[in-house]
Amino acid sequence: EAQVTQNPRYLITVTGKKLTVTCSQNMNHEYMSWYRQDPGLGLRQIYYSMNVEVTDKGDVPEGYKVSRKEKRNFPLILESPSPNQTSLYFCASSLSASGSIGETQYFGPGTRLLVL
Amino acid sequence: AQKITQTQPGMFVQEKEAVTLDCTYDTSDPSYGLFWYKQPSSGEMIFLIYQGSYDQQNATEGRYSLNFQKARKSANLVISASQLGDSAMYFCAMRERSNDYKLSFGAGTTVTVRA
Repeated sequence: EAQVTQNPRYLITVTGKKLTVTCSQNMNHEYMSWYRQDPGLGLRQIYYSMNVEVTDKGDVPEGYKVSRKEKRNFPLILESPSPNQTSLYFCASSLSASGSIGETQYFGPGTRLLVL
Repeated sequence: AQKITQTQPGMFVQEKEAVTLDCTYDTSDPSYGLFWYKQPSSGEMIFLIYQGSYDQQNATEGRYSLNFQKARKSANLVISASQLGDSAMYFCAMRERSNDYKLSFGAGTTVTVRA
């Protein structure tokens, strides 16, 4: 089944404790992206990757890191989480970023993060 | 500047009735696409419908249709014959050719369908 998977789905942590949220897609997509969702703000892009080893900042990259060593994986790293990073996080992928403007982005199931 | 504006935080609709969700957008790019996603209480994002800026006809997908008014920069979603399972948050999003690496989302509209 074609899908984007994220782990963990739920996470409670404490301020300053490094964590990684994994994202994996099995569709051979070139493009991957991370978003965070907050009430009243919709989804905002954190980082994106056009292909392996190519990543760039989105609208809200502060406090996050990413890497793209393999095409299928795009982990999101919080080196020193803070309470303002409590949010719902989505990973998304699409075949390419520069293809058809109508190309659908496929979203993972989301990761709910609470930072105490 | 906000690229996507959804002015209705929440709406109630009676089962079997139609509901219109408003979405206005802001772009100077002539090439762009507009998307609607549904997010049920379980949290996943479900793609519903797409409209391209050069598409001559309004998009339709089953009970979903998009009322695209280019001059007014609006892309309202119409859900016909509402069902209880339509209760969810709905997001309007835009992708511009000049920024084709991302979707810009609105704040969302929560729809509650009453029996």
